[in-house]
Amino acid sequence: DAGVIQSPRHEVTEMGQEVTLRCKPISGHDYLFWYRQTMMRGLELLIYFNNNVPIDDSGMPEDRFSAKMPNASFSTLKIQPSEPRDSAVYFCASSLGRQGQDYTFGSGTRLTVV
Amino acid sequence: SQKIEQNSEALNIQEGKTATLTCNYTNYSPAYLQWYRQDPGRGPVFLLLIRENEKEKRKERLKVTFDTTLKQSLFHITASQPADSATYLCALSNTGNQFYFGTGTSLTVIP
Repeated sequence: DAGVIQSPRHEVTEMGQEVTLRCKPISGHDYLFWYRQTMMRGLELLIYFNNNVPIDDSGMPEDRFSAKMPNASFSTLKIQPSEPRDSAVYFCASSLGRQGQDYTFGSGTRLTVV
Repeated sequence: SQKIEQNSEALNIQEGKTATLTCNYTNYSPAYLQWYRQDPGRGPVFLLLIRENEKEKRKERLKVTFDTTLKQSLFHITASQPADSATYLCALSNTGNQFYFGTGTSLTVIP
């Protein structure tokens, strides 16, 4: 398995533009998580899905952020409109829900909003 | 809300020594605690999981303890090597699904 695949690896966009981050989880994993990492706040859980259904989105910073999981092999995190304070590394992770023993992260998308 | 704190300072140790990293938490009663390694520009990599009813877990040169009374986990790397240099993160959960992360400790092993 190629692991959790995220795209793009780097994204530079202008303030106000829409940004879409993509994630392909490990085949067979039924949990998918979106995290954001910054120097100031560390790794923050934004939202997670179980069997493609959003379970907890309490970490989503505001209405500008939205996430979808249309099927078991694909998820998106969208920011519209983007702001400079959204600049961070966004990670996707997946697991089989086996009490955290197979939590696997992607390589992340480094987002810069100018 | 839960608060998770790791060594506030970067840790430098000599090759061959044992590195000990701490993870303290408040306002939380986790049933599961994980440790991860993160290298620059990469995602965290899972190392070990310990449950609340386990006092200690080992894997090769790694050892993790979990003291629910002190609300603390210790992470040890014995016979440390320069290749162990990285940032180490602890993460807690009470469900085994969503985990909440500490800010990490940067470890440098000096040859």
